Amino acid sequence: DAGVIQSPRHEVTEMGQEVTLRCKPISGHNSLFWYRQTMMRGLELLIYFNNNVPIDDSGMPEDRFSAKMPNASFSTLKIQPSEPRDSAVYFCASTLGLEGEKLFFGSGTQLSVL
Amino acid sequence: RKEVEQDPGPFNVPEGATVAFNCTYSNSASQSFFWYRQDCRKEPKLLMSVYSSGNEDGRFTAQLNRASQYISLLIRDSKLSDSATYLCVAHTGGFKTIFGAGTRLFVKA
Repeated sequence: DAGVIQSPRHEVTEMGQEVTLRCKPISGHNSLFWYRQTMMRGLELLIYFNNNVPIDDSGMPEDRFSAKMPNASFSTLKIQPSEPRDSAVYFCASTLGLEGEKLFFGSGTQLSVL
Repeated sequence: RKEVEQDPGPFNVPEGATVAFNCTYSNSASQSFFWYRQDCRKEPKLLMSVYSSGNEDGRFTAQLNRASQYISLLIRDSKLSDSATYLCVAHTGGFKTIFGAGTRLFVKA
């Protein structure tokens, strides 16, 4: 069982650059979530997908953020242009999508925007 | 107001102590509730589900009070390895899963 796989583990970039975070959910899971975690704001839900369709993106902070899920095994979260306040740990999680099912998290991407 | 609110702590307790964490949720439509544990620099992992009847898993007991929109976690006989951040979670219809900011626990020898 490979679990949820995120890449890269660490990303350091300069303000204004485009950043793309990647996630491979657990095979067979049909719901995928992107979260952002900071000390100040905790774990914030950015967007979630069910069967590759975005269901709720109300947590996406600005138009600079976009997420896609072109197929059941891959999702991206893109920030363009990046800003220092985007620095955080970004987690991807997946679940079977049934009511009450637990989330399985990836190891996260530590993003630092200088 | 945040949808899920927790006391951030930190709670500093000696080994063997009993400690309780509380959590409130604002959306009365929330259907399912959980406690997750997050170790430093790691991803959150499910600790236990929370049911209206209350449930127990070893030294851990979780309770749900729907009328008060309140969730609790009790840890008995604390171990050093219990040191972590405990996240309260509410799951609303449509799979939306909201986490509280977490309560930090330090168990000291």
